[in-house]
Amino acid sequence: AQSVSQHNHHVILSEAASLELGCNYSYGGTVNLFWYVQYPGQHLQLLLKYFSGDPLVKGIKGFEAEFIKSKFSFNLRKPSVQWSDTAEYFCAGKLSNNNDMRFGAGTRLTVKP
Amino acid sequence: KAGVTQTPRYLIKTRGQQVTLSCSPISGHRSVSWYQQTPGQGLQFLFEYFSETQRNKGNFPGRFSGRQFSNSRSEMNVSTLELGDSALYLCASSLPIGQGGNNEQFFGPGTRLTVL
Repeated sequence: AQSVSQHNHHVILSEAASLELGCNYSYGGTVNLFWYVQYPGQHLQLLLKYFSGDPLVKGIKGFEAEFIKSKFSFNLRKPSVQWSDTAEYFCAGKLSNNNDMRFGAGTRLTVKP
Repeated sequence: KAGVTQTPRYLIKTRGQQVTLSCSPISGHRSVSWYQQTPGQGLQFLFEYFSETQRNKGNFPGRFSGRQFSNSRSEMNVSTLELGDSALYLCASSLPIGQGGNNEQFFGPGTRLTVL
């Protein structure tokens, strides 16, 4: 069955700490993968996406993610977080030929100033 | 370009009633998908419409239905509301690969439905 899972439900970091949020997917076929962020009271915003090509993708606000096919993973990273990164982060995936997007449960990130 | 718009933004209904939510996609986008977001279940795919036809469907009961108009605007209807239908309902639009896009979905702000 197609699914996306996130390992961390709540992560608490201090400013300037490095971040890595885990995401694993289970898909048969060509998969498109995404990371979205949802700031409090705001709607989902796309951080980055992987469709094909270079497995290391860079997104907005200094975020990046690496597609590792052998591990079925698409972890999100940021070398140094800021207080303003406090938000909920969702990993999502879908097959390339349709729009049935499956989301992970989300990871709430709290960055302490 | 204007983003995806959803109306109304907030809605309060009582059990047993029905509700219709509206979504206007980004101009030129012909695919519209609907999602339900709840604290317990997270984000779940409801269905997708493309060119006025339902193309994909998630695992929701028949009380949840939708349609798409010729101008790509979409509506979602929930009949016989239950308390558990309280959620944020999100709409996303995309431009398919065959029409010059890459299927990337752009989300609207959502409609927050509260069922009392």
